[in-house]
Amino acid sequence: AIRLTQSPSSSASTGDRVTITCRASQGISSYLAWYQQKPGKAPKLLISAASTLQDGVPSRFSGSGSGTDFTLTISCLQSEDFATYYCQQYYDYLWTFGQGTKVEIK
Amino acid sequence: EVQLLESGGGLVQPGGSLRLSCVASGFTFSSYAMSWVRQTPEKGLEWVSAVSGSGGTTYYADSVKGRFTVSRDNSENTLYLQMNSLRVEDLALYYCARDRGHSAAGTLEHWGQGTLVTVSS
Repeated sequence: AIRLTQSPSSSASTGDRVTITCRASQGISSYLAWYQQKPGKAPKLLISAASTLQDGVPSRFSGSGSGTDFTLTISCLQSEDFATYYCQQYYDYLWTFGQGTKVEIK
Repeated sequence: EVQLLESGGGLVQPGGSLRLSCVASGFTFSSYAMSWVRQTPEKGLEWVSAVSGSGGTTYYADSVKGRFTVSRDNSENTLYLQMNSLRVEDLALYYCARDRGHSAAGTLEHWGQGTLVTVSS
């Protein structure tokens, strides 16, 4: 199975620019999604195809990358963005998730 | 509004069986592939199984292949997961999720709130 490794959890302040990375154990083209999960809630799809923002997701979120290295960027962190973020690959039919990156309040 | 409501979780002994259900509303159920994804604090999110909109194509994670069966009743807008030979490591919160289109593509646009499965003697 393809393994996804995310950057460690981080502390940040409102207004900061935050970057989360996701590295795949093999090339997955652009078959990567990003999800946001808040405590007690289900994951929410933010980005698909590595960089396509879902309807209703604020434009401060953006995704980039292809192959093995991907990035989720929050350009100006808001209070509602403190959450855990997961990447997920859907290159093959053994879809896998990263271990999650928690963005905490500094 | 898309809504997914899981049920059927509970406490079961190792080796036992359980059937999860997910009732969908707010969209044409048969037009979308559906998945089951589980989550534990230790292992995080783990995709379990997927089924195409027609129900004709199914996929399973290696960890559940041969023990779990995914199915759907499009006349009842309901997704199922039959779980047999349950193991302690199957303990998790199980989510159902809707894919983007008829085929299982892996872009999980909508999620339910989950149902908890506990496997313990």
